[in-house]
Amino acid sequence: EDKVVQSPLSLVVHEGDTVTLNCSYEVTNFRSLLWYKQEKKAPTFLFMLTSSGIEKKSGRLSSILDKKELFSILNITATQTGDSAVYLCAGGMDNAGNMLTFGGGTRLMVKP
Amino acid sequence: DTEVTQTPKHLVMGMTNKKSLKCEQHMGHRAMYWYKQKAKKPPELMFVYSYEKLSINESVPSRFSPECPNSSLLNLHLHALQPEDSALYLCASSRDPGLTYEQYFGPGTRLTVT
Repeated sequence: EDKVVQSPLSLVVHEGDTVTLNCSYEVTNFRSLLWYKQEKKAPTFLFMLTSSGIEKKSGRLSSILDKKELFSILNITATQTGDSAVYLCAGGMDNAGNMLTFGGGTRLMVKP
Repeated sequence: DTEVTQTPKHLVMGMTNKKSLKCEQHMGHRAMYWYKQKAKKPPELMFVYSYEKLSINESVPSRFSPECPNSSLLNLHLHALQPEDSALYLCASSRDPGLTYEQYFGPGTRLTVT
C-alpha cells in the first residue's frame, strides 16, 4: 500500500526561526514529490521534485529530494507569521491520471 | 493564470436532496480531479478524469456521480448523501495526465449534510 509520512505532526516556532519539515514516501511507480501549503481552503502548490539532489528554491522556501532514501525535506528560513499553515507533501504516481498520495501534513505555527 | 474555480463555496443539503458541485478551469488542462477532505486530514482522491474520460474511481459510493461535460468543466452530482459525507470537496487540474505536472486546486466547496 502506498504511504507518505510527514514529521513532525505539528511545530511551533517564533518569527525568524528556521524550520525543516520531513516527508518520507513509499509510492508505487513513483514519479514526483510535491509540496503544498494549505491555510484555510485550497492547497497552494509550492514545489514539484523529480530528481534527486537538486534543490528547488522560492524565496525563503527550499526543498530537496532523495530518491535513494525515499524522503524529501522542506526548509523555511526566517519564518514569518504568514508561514503559519499546514504543509502537505504528496507522492505522484506514474499512472494514467498522475495520482497523488498525500501525507498527513505538518501544522506549522509561527508566533510573533 | 493557474486558477481553478468552484461553486458554490458553501452548500447545506438534506439527505434526500439532489445537488451538484461545479468546477471550472481555463488553463487547457486535460486532467481533472475530485478530492474529499475532512477536518485536519489530507485530501483523499475520489475521481480522476483524463481527456474528459473517467480514468480512476477510488471506490467512491454511487451517491457521488462525477461528470465531465467538456475539457474545462467538471461536475459532481450528489444524491442521498449521509451526514458523514460532510467535508470540503476540492477540485484540481493538471496539464497532462500522462506526464509529470503539478496539480492546481480550487478553493473548494464546504458541504454540510443535515
